Amino acid sequence: DQQVKQNSPSLSVQEGRISILNCDYTNSMFDYFLWYKKYPAEGPTFLISISSIKDKNEDGRFTVFLNKSAKHLSLHIVPSQPGDSAVYFCAARGGGKLIFGQGTTLQVKP
Amino acid sequence: GAVVSQHPSWVICKSGTSVKIECRSLDFQATTMFWYRQFPKQSLMLMATSNEGSKATYEQGVEKDKFLINHASLTLSTLTVTSAHPEDSSFYICSARDETRGISQPQHFGDGTRLSIL
Repeated sequence: DQQVKQNSPSLSVQEGRISILNCDYTNSMFDYFLWYKKYPAEGPTFLISISSIKDKNEDGRFTVFLNKSAKHLSLHIVPSQPGDSAVYFCAARGGGKLIFGQGTTLQVKP
Repeated sequence: GAVVSQHPSWVICKSGTSVKIECRSLDFQATTMFWYRQFPKQSLMLMATSNEGSKATYEQGVEKDKFLINHASLTLSTLTVTSAHPEDSSFYICSARDETRGISQPQHFGDGTRLSIL
């Protein structure tokens, strides 16, 4: 029973363009949503989060949108840079615990 | 701030060996730490929640006698994989959150431990 889903295993975009990573969830009791970036053989690095009572949070090139009615969130990266190439995980917090999606591998081409 | 350190980063050992992994919060105290496991190209799966001064809480399907967790201080949690076998080979990652800075604080992760059992 996958409570957090990232349906796109990979995404390729051109440098300078927008990257949009998507995430769906099933549990309406999640109170926080987070995005992490991960390189192979390293731990995830926190990028940005959003409370369930908000619909948008922006931090520099990163913006997270939350659509509670659709149980959907997305991460926008603009402009995308080659250094953004990594695996991106969305995570939802419920009961103090994080539930992770399967991850999306983003490749930003120069 | 909110740095989590994990050691060792890589372990190769023979089947039947017990392996201890340490997770430290370097610049904050954590009453709760979390242990995750990640198989290749898969998601991070929560194994257990480590509670300072009390027993860990294990997720369904995780053997507590196999994965011993000790959280003896506010800055250190250890995971011991007992009598490890090849199927225990995986990437183990810990995380912690600076709870003193409010509910919005994210979990920060260590760099993980690659465990390979021969």
